[in-house]
Amino acid sequence: DTEVTQTPKHLVMGMTNKKSLKCEQHMGHRAMYWYKQKAKKPPELMFVYSYEKLSINESVPSRFSPECPNSSLLNLHLHALQPEDSALYLCASSQDRDQPQHFGDGTRLSIL
Amino acid sequence: RKEVEQDPGPFNVPEGATVAFNCTYSNSASQSFFWYRQDCRKEPKLLMSVYSSGNEDGRFTAQLNRASQYISLLIRDSKLSDSATYLCVVNRHTGRRALTFGSGTRLQVQP
Repeated sequence: DTEVTQTPKHLVMGMTNKKSLKCEQHMGHRAMYWYKQKAKKPPELMFVYSYEKLSINESVPSRFSPECPNSSLLNLHLHALQPEDSALYLCASSQDRDQPQHFGDGTRLSIL
Repeated sequence: RKEVEQDPGPFNVPEGATVAFNCTYSNSASQSFFWYRQDCRKEPKLLMSVYSSGNEDGRFTAQLNRASQYISLLIRDSKLSDSATYLCVVNRHTGRRALTFGSGTRLQVQP
């Protein structure tokens, strides 16, 4: 069982909808990450939070908005997404940014 | 040139075989190295970290060659359950401190 919990597991939304993806870890990790993964491709880094501060934004479009309310939680707010945004969205955490990351089992997102 | 390169495979091997994957990285500032495995439609899972002296975990052996900037993973006595995609991952401890993933090598172990 993964120690990084993501909800929901699946999400179907229209291009005008607003939704949020949630990620939670209780391992005391201080770094958290969002990745996007398309079929047969490796995960692509989107955002890195370190000690609840945004450290890296990989030039992600503003229709994706991350939020880190506390050291255990990471959200990804979605608005006005495009069909090409359909993918598996993975959250990960690590003790700090130099340590291996542990992944949640992802949210499979489909944009209609 | 990609920062982390892997042969995509697939490697098709019979049960019990020994199989080896290599991975090369281009940034000499890379400091941490990992192998992850990813099953179809599942999340990546850490298989093992790779240390300079080489390390072994059961049937799996990882090696690092800093001079040549490559990492290897050896799987002995392959099981059907080893079928997965193996991702080579490197991390820099300065500058852009984030994991960089190779595109993965697909392994199919056949009965």
